[in-house]
Amino acid sequence: GAGVSQTPSNKVTEKGKYVELRCDPISGHTALYWYRQSLGQGPEFLIYFQGTGAADDSGLPNDRFFAVRPEGSVSTLKIQRTERGDSAVYLCASSLLGTGADTQYFGPGTRLTVL
Amino acid sequence: DQQVKQNSPSLSVQEGRISILNCDYTNSMFDYFLWYKKYPAEGPTFLISISSIKDKNEDGRFTVFLNKSAKHLSLHIVPSQPGDSAVYFCAARWSGGSNYKLTFGKGTLLTVNP
Repeated sequence: GAGVSQTPSNKVTEKGKYVELRCDPISGHTALYWYRQSLGQGPEFLIYFQGTGAADDSGLPNDRFFAVRPEGSVSTLKIQRTERGDSAVYLCASSLLGTGADTQYFGPGTRLTVL
Repeated sequence: DQQVKQNSPSLSVQEGRISILNCDYTNSMFDYFLWYKKYPAEGPTFLISISSIKDKNEDGRFTVFLNKSAKHLSLHIVPSQPGDSAVYFCAARWSGGSNYKLTFGKGTLLTVNP
C-alpha cells in the first residue's frame, strides 16, 4: 500500500513569502504529526492532529506557522512571512490510532529553502 | 536542552562485524524508545522499539538494550552489512502524554565498509 507522501519534495522561496506544504497520510490513519529537521539535528515535533483537530500544537515555533487537516486526512502546513531560519526539512508522519502502541510512519519530507 | 542524546555523530565498521549505536536520555518520564533509520532524501523508517518494562528486544540482526537506571539504550546490529549504512536516530516518548510525540536524538551516521 501507499506510504505517507509529501509535496512538494523541494521548495525554494524568498524571505517574506508564504508557503504551503502538503502531507497525504497512510489511508485510514487517524493520527498525523508534523516534525521539522534542521541541518545536523534530529526531527523536532511541531504539531499533532487526531482526526480533524489539532490536539497539540505546542511545537509550533511562533504564530507564523499554522496547520490544518479539514477532513481528517490530508494536512497542510502553512508558513507566513518566511524567514531564512525556517529553512529545514519538514517531515510528516501518520499512525493508525495515535496510541502508545502505534508506530509513526514518516514521509520523505519537504526540503524548504528560504533565500 | 537535549533530552535524547546520541554523542557519536558517526561510526564506521567492517562488514560482518558488530555495530553498536548508543543513546542516552535525561527525561525519566520516557517509557518507550524507538530506533529509526534514515537514508538520504528519504524519511525515517522505523527499525525496532522497546518498552521500559523490558531490557532487551530482538528482531533478526537488530537488538536493542535498555538500561533504565543508567538512562541508556543501545542498538546492536550483527552482522553489519553495507546496506545498513545510514543515519540512525534514537527516539523516545512518554505514554502518559496526550499525543505520543517523539523526541529524537541528533543521529549517528553508520558506515559499513565492504
